[in-house]
Amino acid sequence: DIQMTQSPSTLSASVGDSVSITCRASQRISNYLAWYQQKPGKAPNLLIYKASVLESGVPSRFSGSMSGTEFTLTISSLQPDDFATYYCHQYNTYSYTFGQGTKLEIK
Amino acid sequence: EVQLVESGGALVQPGGSLRLSCAVSGFTFSRHWMSWVRQVPGKGLEWVANIKEDGSEKHYVGSVKGRFTISRDNAKNTLYLQMNSLRADDTAVYYCASLRGFGGYDALDSWGQGTLVTVSS
Repeated sequence: DIQMTQSPSTLSASVGDSVSITCRASQRISNYLAWYQQKPGKAPNLLIYKASVLESGVPSRFSGSMSGTEFTLTISSLQPDDFATYYCHQYNTYSYTFGQGTKLEIK
Repeated sequence: EVQLVESGGALVQPGGSLRLSCAVSGFTFSRHWMSWVRQVPGKGLEWVANIKEDGSEKHYVGSVKGRFTISRDNAKNTLYLQMNSLRADDTAVYYCASLRGFGGYDALDSWGQGTLVTVSS
């Protein structure tokens, strides 16, 4: 199975900051990578698919990029609503895997 | 409006069985692969199973193979997860989710609210 190593596990930042979260795949997955935001007690919400395509309705301060097997979610100008947990998800094979998650906390 | 509503979660003893349901509305259910994803409270997400649009192809995470069965009824717009031989480590919130596009490799763009399964004596 493809392993997704996500870092950091926790990130502290302030409103207005720009932050990045990284996921590294254990093998090539092309651009079959999605990012989700999850708030406590809620289901995950799709932010980005195909590594860099913004889902409809998602603010443009969210962006995704890739380089080889490394994928990055960047949130520019953090808003109060952005403090949540973020997960990457590879869907290159039928055996999907998620990263361990990154909890974005207010500093 | 797209809606996915899970039901069937409960407290069950180890070795027991449970069937989860996911009622779908607001999109053409029969044209999309569907998934089950679970989450131990306070922990990360784990993909459990996928099923093709017509039910002819199914895939499972290794830890549930032979114990769980994903199925669907396109006439009723409903997805199911039959869970047998339940273990304590199956305790989790179970979400149903739809794949974004038309195919088996895609992001999960719509999710239910989740249903809690607790396996304990």
